[in-house]
Amino acid sequence: GAGVSQSPSNKVTEKGKDVELRCDPISGHTALYWYRQRLGQGLEFLIYFQGNSAPDKSGLPSDRFSAERTGESVSTLTIQRTQQEDSAVYLCASSLVGTSGSYNEQFFGPGTRLTVL
Amino acid sequence: RKEVEQDPGPFNVPEGATVAFNCTYSNSASQSFFWYRQDCRKEPKLLMSVYSSGNEDGRFTAQLNRASQYISLLIRDSKLSDSATYLCVVNPGEEGGSYIPTFGRGTSLIVHP
Repeated sequence: GAGVSQSPSNKVTEKGKDVELRCDPISGHTALYWYRQRLGQGLEFLIYFQGNSAPDKSGLPSDRFSAERTGESVSTLTIQRTQQEDSAVYLCASSLVGTSGSYNEQFFGPGTRLTVL
Repeated sequence: RKEVEQDPGPFNVPEGATVAFNCTYSNSASQSFFWYRQDCRKEPKLLMSVYSSGNEDGRFTAQLNRASQYISLLIRDSKLSDSATYLCVVNPGEEGGSYIPTFGRGTSLIVHP
């Protein structure tokens, strides 16, 4: 596709359930990012994938959160035993990561709106 | 000190006004800078990159001041459709130690008739 896609667009789940969110980056983009945005708040970095390197998981808020990426394609973010404070929009972005000094614009997907009841 | 700071606003201006936003950053090794626009309940979208020499795109002008570590966005002849949240983004890049961009909290702009 032409842009970053995410699914589902909306997810309502009950507290304690596991959820899986999917991101399809732009073809050829080596970098992929997951962010969380709570209502009225800024973007909170979660995890970063770059090619076949080990992901940077420094933003994951707890061990209930995990993410995987297959090569330079699809990524899934999994939240186990969801809590009400996990309710937010989860945004995925991809970019080309070039040489030092290059401008690496991020392209965002439309997000998944997660509501934990 | 926060890595990227913005005045949250809101900036409430009439149509046709000129408005300017600033954003300060703490990592002096940062390499690339952007302004993104985020409409209510939508994803952020790139508005413009910010180049060292400054750049202009129609009614929008972006400036970078490395010495003082801030970037600015100037909007001339504001339109109702400019109402949105403007996010400042700073990317350390390889020399800054990371390719993970840092987003400011955003500045809210409301343009009224």
